[in-house]
Amino acid sequence: DAGVIQSPRHEVTEMGQEVTLRCKPISGHNSLFWYRQTMMRGLELLIYFNNNVPIDDSGMPEDRFSAKMPNASFSTLKIQPSEPRDSAVYFCASSTSSGGLETQYFGPGTRLLVL
Amino acid sequence: AQKVTQAQTEISVVEKEDVTLDCVYETRDTTYYLFWYKQPPSGELVFLIRRNSFDEQNEISGRYSWNFQKSTSSFNFTITASQVVDSAVYFCALSERNYGGATNKLIFGTGTLLAVQP
Repeated sequence: DAGVIQSPRHEVTEMGQEVTLRCKPISGHNSLFWYRQTMMRGLELLIYFNNNVPIDDSGMPEDRFSAKMPNASFSTLKIQPSEPRDSAVYFCASSTSSGGLETQYFGPGTRLLVL
Repeated sequence: AQKVTQAQTEISVVEKEDVTLDCVYETRDTTYYLFWYKQPPSGELVFLIRRNSFDEQNEISGRYSWNFQKSTSSFNFTITASQVVDSAVYFCALSERNYGGATNKLIFGTGTLLAVQP
């Protein structure tokens, strides 16, 4: 079975540009999570969706970040405008959500560098 | 507040040594899950194990074993006869329930970098 798919795997952009990260969850999973990993802050949850609906976006750093999940098999995380401090590895994860507390399976991550 | 502490930042061992990675957690919930994930140098996060708060039985999977003790709020991970391929960052995580709905927000520890020398 295919795991969580993320694209691109690497992204280098210049400050001020728009960046869009993409995620395809595991088929049949109805919860989707976006995490960010940095040396300073470790792994932190940005936002998660349940049945395509955003449930908790309290981890989204600021209005420059937005996330959508138009259907059960696709989600995007957009940064506009990007800044050097957004440089990080962004992970997408998915799980089933039969009552919560289910195992999250992670994608390979997108390594973002903002110059 | 929910919190996961991995006090060991880095551990270096020689191949074939046994090594234990410590994890201490804090939670107000009576129902929760604990996880271990592995992040090898290639960068992906690999799920290793999930343990629920009602099951304190230790678990063994090959060279890996986990010791869950609610009395000390610990969920330690032991690798027996370590190998170079075990070199990675290992994260312990706690699943937090939001009483407003079905959620499974993961709280991660800061990770332990394990270096296994040949």
